[in-house]
Amino acid sequence: SFALTQPPSLSVSPGQTATITCSGDKLGDKYTCWYQQKPGQSPVLVIYEDNKRPSGIPERFSGSNSGNSATLTISGTQAMDEADYYCQAWDTNTVVFGGGTKLTVL
Amino acid sequence: QVQLQESGPGLVKPSQTLTLTCTVSGGSINSDIYYWNWIRQPAGKGLEWIGRIYISGSTNYNPSLKNRVTISVDTSKNQFSLKLSSVTDADTAVYYCARGVGTIENNCDVWGQGTLVTVSS
Repeated sequence: SFALTQPPSLSVSPGQTATITCSGDKLGDKYTCWYQQKPGQSPVLVIYEDNKRPSGIPERFSGSNSGNSATLTISGTQAMDEADYYCQAWDTNTVVFGGGTKLTVL
Repeated sequence: QVQLQESGPGLVKPSQTLTLTCTVSGGSINSDIYYWNWIRQPAGKGLEWIGRIYISGSTNYNPSLKNRVTISVDTSKNQFSLKLSSVTDADTAVYYCARGVGTIENNCDVWGQGTLVTVSS
């Protein structure tokens, strides 16, 4: 069955660029979206259809998708970006989530 | 501003059926644009998609849960519901309802606050 793989954790310093990957077979042929989830809160959509930002999401969030990998990039990472991030794609009538990446900003 | 709110028992006994309802406010559930999803998250773990329903009644389910899941919609109440049968400890989780946009994209742009369901005798 189709699966999405993310690194469990990533640490960056404030102001640096955070790059979170999501891998899956021929993922570039599918649309990928990304969610941010802070402790005790519901997930928030930060990127949809590979590289589009919903209204209200800062420009420092961007996305790309090709080949077997999708990427969420946070430029100029801020302390408020510390959260879990999940990728999501659709395959064979099923929604699939990646396992999540815990982003630490320190 | 559309809002979603989950409701239902916070405690369910093993082998029983978990039933949750999501109430949509600030907008109509009767739209041909959206899919209505159920997603869960065990404590300290990742998100797991349970399934979704379209206003026509058409459903898609997670294959791993398909035999136990039923999602239905009640347009007169602007609600959709989840039934998960034969629950075990492994079904203990925070359950979210969410609005999805796009047939193959299913971008969940609006989420409920989540409700904790514990399976225990």
